[in-house]
Amino acid sequence: GAGVSQSPSNKVTEKGKDVELRCDPISGHTALYWYRQSLGQGLEFLIYFQGNSAPDKSGLPSDRFSAERTGGSVSTLTIQRTQQEDSAVYLCASSFPRGALHFGNGTRLTVT
Amino acid sequence: KNEVEQSPQNLTAQEGEFITINCSYSVGISALHWLQQHPGGGIVSLFMLSSGKKKHGRLIATINIQEKHSSLHITASHPRDSAVYICAVSSNAGGTSYGKLTFGQGTILTVHP
Repeated sequence: GAGVSQSPSNKVTEKGKDVELRCDPISGHTALYWYRQSLGQGLEFLIYFQGNSAPDKSGLPSDRFSAERTGGSVSTLTIQRTQQEDSAVYLCASSFPRGALHFGNGTRLTVT
Repeated sequence: KNEVEQSPQNLTAQEGEFITINCSYSVGISALHWLQQHPGGGIVSLFMLSSGKKKHGRLIATINIQEKHSSLHITASHPRDSAVYICAVSSNAGGTSYGKLTFGQGTILTVHP
């Protein structure tokens, strides 16, 4: 039984470039979450998908951030024109509706 | 003041000791989560609760909705319990989605042999 899979595990990019982070949730999980954890900071909510409902995007820090979830499964978090303050570990989680969260191992993003 | 406050921030114990980590929150909630993060490792969900008490092995989580307080207890602690323990809440405020968790700052637990 595969858990939540995130790719890449590490990403180094130059300031101003766009990046895409991928999340494969556990099969059957209708809820998908993106969070980030900056160095020395706590966890911060980014976006939440639940089934066919409109996603809660209220945590996205700027319009450079966007996310989509295709076919109710795989999700992609896109950061345009990356800035150094975007450097963080980006975590994806999935669950059954209102269930316990299962986290992926995260993508460590470094913007140079 | 943060919506979710944990105490202590750092906790050092000797193997075998009984450990308590506290979490206080200021909003109405639909669920409270206890998470564990090992150094360099991923995050694991330990408990999700909205009332009462849950037990899994040596771990016990309790919640008092009226007092807006939860505790995580570890009995007979072991060095492998060394990790960061994070409390997170899902607010039931109008318009707030279940998935919009608010996190505490974490408690760093070190258990010495």
